[in-house]
Amino acid sequence: QSALTQPASVSGSPGQSITISCTGTTSDVGGYNYVSWYQQHPGKAPKLIIYDVSNRPSGVSNHFSGSQSGNTASLTISGLQAEDEADYYCSSYTSSSTLVFGGGTKLTVL
Amino acid sequence: EVQLVESGGGLVKPGGSLRLSCAASGFTLSSYSMNWVRQAPGKGLKWVSSISSSFTYYADSVKGRFTISRDNAKNSLYLQMNSLRVEDTAVYYCARTLRMTTIDYWGQGTLVTVSS
Repeated sequence: QSALTQPASVSGSPGQSITISCTGTTSDVGGYNYVSWYQQHPGKAPKLIIYDVSNRPSGVSNHFSGSQSGNTASLTISGLQAEDEADYYCSSYTSSSTLVFGGGTKLTVL
Repeated sequence: EVQLVESGGGLVKPGGSLRLSCAASGFTLSSYSMNWVRQAPGKGLKWVSSISSSFTYYADSVKGRFTISRDNAKNSLYLQMNSLRVEDTAVYYCARTLRMTTIDYWGQGTLVTVSS
């Protein structure tokens, strides 16, 4: 049950695009199309922003998008806004019928 | 509107026990798998346990010490935590799962502090 690997931090200026990677194994990310992404602001509960690799829940802005290649999934935020500054976590379903999270990435909007 | 409200957190000594509850509303609990996820202070999210209609699953770090259960008639989820350790200190979130693959709703969390 090792955590998925995410960069500890990323940054970008308003209007720019950034990408956060999430690397796992064939037992999780690479074995399924069940990667999710969550946004968490300080002191708040996480919020689902992407599920099943690239699907957005109703009400989530289309400047969030997801993709996957092999054992690595990616979250892209285009047209960065100040309110996008938060922690972002990926998660994946695993071959053990459990869930595993990434270590989290702190996004700073410069 | 889906709502998940956790309760039962608090301060407990190492080796002690605590029972967390999660009251669900806005949906029928029996139709969903449910999870507990924790977050130690300043740290990332860690999956703890999940329960479907038939099965339960646990992270290795809590196996044998924690027990997840549900009461569909009361629309409630529980986590019985025994033999608590300092490293169990965290905010514990109750979370609803789609098809056991995606957490789509989270509660606001309840803080468990294990300290002497």
